Amino acid sequence: GEDVEQSLFLSVREGDSSVINCTYTDSSSTYLYWYKQEPGAGLQLLTYIFSNMDMKQDQRLTVLLNKKDKHLSLRIADTQTGDSAIYFCAESSLTGNQFYFGTGTSLTVIP
Amino acid sequence: EAEVAQSPRYKITEKSQAVAFWCDPISGHATLYWYRQILGQGPELLVQFQDESVVDDSQLPKDRFSAERLKGVDSTLKIQPAELGDSAMYLCASSLGKRNTEAFFGQGTRLTVV
Repeated sequence: GEDVEQSLFLSVREGDSSVINCTYTDSSSTYLYWYKQEPGAGLQLLTYIFSNMDMKQDQRLTVLLNKKDKHLSLRIADTQTGDSAIYFCAESSLTGNQFYFGTGTSLTVIP
Repeated sequence: EAEVAQSPRYKITEKSQAVAFWCDPISGHATLYWYRQILGQGPELLVQFQDESVVDDSQLPKDRFSAERLKGVDSTLKIQPAELGDSAMYLCASSLGKRNTEAFFGQGTRLTVV
């Protein structure tokens, strides 16, 4: 499968911005996704970006894509305690439509 | 709001026993995925269906795992016999079809093999 890597842990204070980073290896990646997983639950799609885009903003979420460096980031503005969860980066390509996930970044928001 | 339904939510089984999980995708979604998520890791694909056909089962341990989607709607994943290493969260997801941008996940089945 494809390699999708993320840092394991991130702690931020409530009200600060969080930035979660991800790198991937497949240059043919078509879509890149961010999913959120709360304890014991399934994955919730937060947002996705098409590979010909540099940035996408959706309310408090901003996705930045550096296709040259194969680097994806998710910025959460005004982070709240309810944002505490594991965030997974994922990518898919035109072939097979399979999703490859990173190992997840555990975000802890400190009140 | 339409959801991917999975049952059971939790399952405890003894090793060497058989266990089965069920998934009902969002209505109209042609593509169905079964993923396994070991604690502390990201999900890994076990099998992908397009309608009733298997598209990718290269990561499915076929000596003990089987999956079917007979009518192209709901799906069953079976493990027989279960091993201790099978303890994990089993996630089902669905999407509209090929090259669809979004996959929607169910709540998962947490399997513990003792």
